[in-house]
Amino acid sequence: KQEVTQIPAALSVPEGENLVLNCSFTDSAIYNLQWFRQDPGKGLTSLLLIQSSQREQTSGRLNASLDKSSGRSTLYIAASQPGDSATYLCAVHYNYGQNFVFGPGTRLSVLP
Amino acid sequence: SAVISQKPSRDICQRGTSLTIQCQVDSQVTMMFWYRQQPGQSLTLIATANQGSEATYESGFVIDKFPISRPNLTFSTLTVSNMSPEDSSIYLCSVEATGLGYGYTFGSGTRLTVV
Repeated sequence: KQEVTQIPAALSVPEGENLVLNCSFTDSAIYNLQWFRQDPGKGLTSLLLIQSSQREQTSGRLNASLDKSSGRSTLYIAASQPGDSATYLCAVHYNYGQNFVFGPGTRLSVLP
Repeated sequence: SAVISQKPSRDICQRGTSLTIQCQVDSQVTMMFWYRQQPGQSLTLIATANQGSEATYESGFVIDKFPISRPNLTFSTLTVSNMSPEDSSIYLCSVEATGLGYGYTFGSGTRLTVV
């Protein structure tokens, strides 16, 4: 069964801290992995996409890594800001099938 | 990448009624995907909609409850039929992005409350 887990489920940090969100998946036959941000009651905003052949992607203060062999991806957020407060979801697109399998998300609060 | 316009953004509906959610994409796409996000939960795929054929539903979802239309390559609707409070969720449509690196783009979501 394809499962995606994320830890921690929730995280509260003071502004300015660097932080790491973790995503694990059970099947390494992935096509790509995508990190999303979701604000309360809203849709999803794509943050970073990592293809199965890549090890990391960077966008501004965000860096996502991928280790297929261990079934893990991390999202690193540097110098966190209150505006980063949201739920962060990772989603795995497997080689077979057309849809994503989503993790449960990490709810991040950055305190001013 | 593709831009999706989804509406309504939110609605409060009476038990037993139906609501149709629309998604319009600014480019032609082969497949559109409909997801449900129940309160406090992650996203679950409802169905995949191809233009010109019937939608493919995931386990636990049926056409009578969630009929889908896909009249052309830029538009799709999802209807939530005979609603009950358990249908209160955020519903999202998605397409595969056409920009660099592929990936998926999501609509802004429809927040449905059934009373």
